[in-house]
Amino acid sequence: AQSVTQPDIHITVSEGASLELRCNYSYGATPYLFWYVQSPGQGLQLLLKYFSGDTLVQGIKGFEAEFKRSQSSFNLRKPSVHWSDAAEYFCAVGAPTDSWGKLQFGAGTQVVVTP
Amino acid sequence: DAMVIQNPRYQVTQFGKPVTLSCSQTLNHNVMYWYQQKSSQAPKLLFHYYDKDFNNEADTPDNFQSRRPNTSFCFLDIRSPGLGDAAMYLCATSRTGQGTEAFFGQGTRLTVV
Repeated sequence: AQSVTQPDIHITVSEGASLELRCNYSYGATPYLFWYVQSPGQGLQLLLKYFSGDTLVQGIKGFEAEFKRSQSSFNLRKPSVHWSDAAEYFCAVGAPTDSWGKLQFGAGTQVVVTP
Repeated sequence: DAMVIQNPRYQVTQFGKPVTLSCSQTLNHNVMYWYQQKSSQAPKLLFHYYDKDFNNEADTPDNFQSRRPNTSFCFLDIRSPGLGDAAMYLCATSRTGQGTEAFFGQGTRLTVV
């Protein structure tokens, strides 16, 4: 069965420290990969996406993600977090055979930033 | 700015009383989606429209319906809301094409009393 797994439900990080959020997927072929961020009470904002090519993808707000085919992973990183990065982060996949923008989301990782 | 707008942001409805949530877009995207997001859970796709073609997810309850009168607007109708339908409802749009990016509205928080 196709699935998206975010192993960490909750992460606490100090302001200025680095952050890495994990995402693993299970698909028959490499899907399209996305990271979205959701602030409390808000909709989802796209941070970055991977379709093909360079496996290190740069996004907005200083985030980057690395696609590793051998590990079926697409982990999100930020070298130095800011208090405004506190939010919920969702990894999502789009089926490679899908002509729409339908997304399957992971369960999300809640990020708390401490002073 | 082109965007996806959902109204209202917060909706309170009575158990069993029909309710309609609305979504509009200025992106001129031909695909529109409705996702349901319950507390502390991932968004779950309910259905999507490609132009006026409606596509229901297999596990979407019959209690949920949708209308898309034109490219810009899409409505989510809940015929008889139950307590379990309390959730954030997210509207999204995209162009067609493989791997196309979805743009989300800010959501409508539905409370059922």
